[in-house]
Amino acid sequence: EDQVTQSPEALRLQEGESSSLNCSYTVSGLRGLFWYRQDPGKGPEFLFTLYSAGEEKEKERLKATLTKKESFLHITAPKPEDSATYLCAVQAENAGNMLTFGGGTRLMVKP
Amino acid sequence: DVKVTQSSRYLVKRTGEKVFLECVQDMDHENMFWYRQDPGLGLRLIYFSYDVKMKEKGDIPEGYSVSREKKERFSLILESASTNQTSMYLCASSRGQGLTDTQYFGPGTRLTVL
Repeated sequence: EDQVTQSPEALRLQEGESSSLNCSYTVSGLRGLFWYRQDPGKGPEFLFTLYSAGEEKEKERLKATLTKKESFLHITAPKPEDSATYLCAVQAENAGNMLTFGGGTRLMVKP
Repeated sequence: DVKVTQSSRYLVKRTGEKVFLECVQDMDHENMFWYRQDPGLGLRLIYFSYDVKMKEKGDIPEGYSVSREKKERFSLILESASTNQTSMYLCASSRGQGLTDTQYFGPGTRLTVL
């Protein structure tokens, strides 16, 4: 069974304090790993797709990396507006178009 | 930009009512999905559709049905709403072509069943 575990569940940072969010996964074969940002009361907003180990993608203060067992979302010098829940999901080779989601990490950045 | 819209942001219904949640996407996507999201349980797939009039059950289809009469529109139906269906409902769509398929989400409908 495909599994996705995100850690920590919640993370408090001071503005400017860089850190990383972890997404560990177990799948029979990975087609893609996805990161989303979700603000309270809203739908998830797509951030990145990673396809294979060693791949990295960046967007503003966010950088996502991928290994064969986990992905990290690095946040450099975060600002209060980066506060949100970050969701990780995987698409497995044997799951068609369906995704398996992790529980999310709730990030709070204090000014 | 992909745009997925949902008919209501907030909805309050009574137990036993029939409830329709509508979702529309404007990017000619093949696949559409309905999820519910609850604290501590994450996102759970209710149903998805890979073509007009085609549907497949997700992880928690009980108490729900769906309809896809046109490619851009996917409806979730609660035949007889119950209090345990109070939740955030999220619609998503994806191209459905190629091996890796990014899903794009709508803004969500917060449903309360009294």
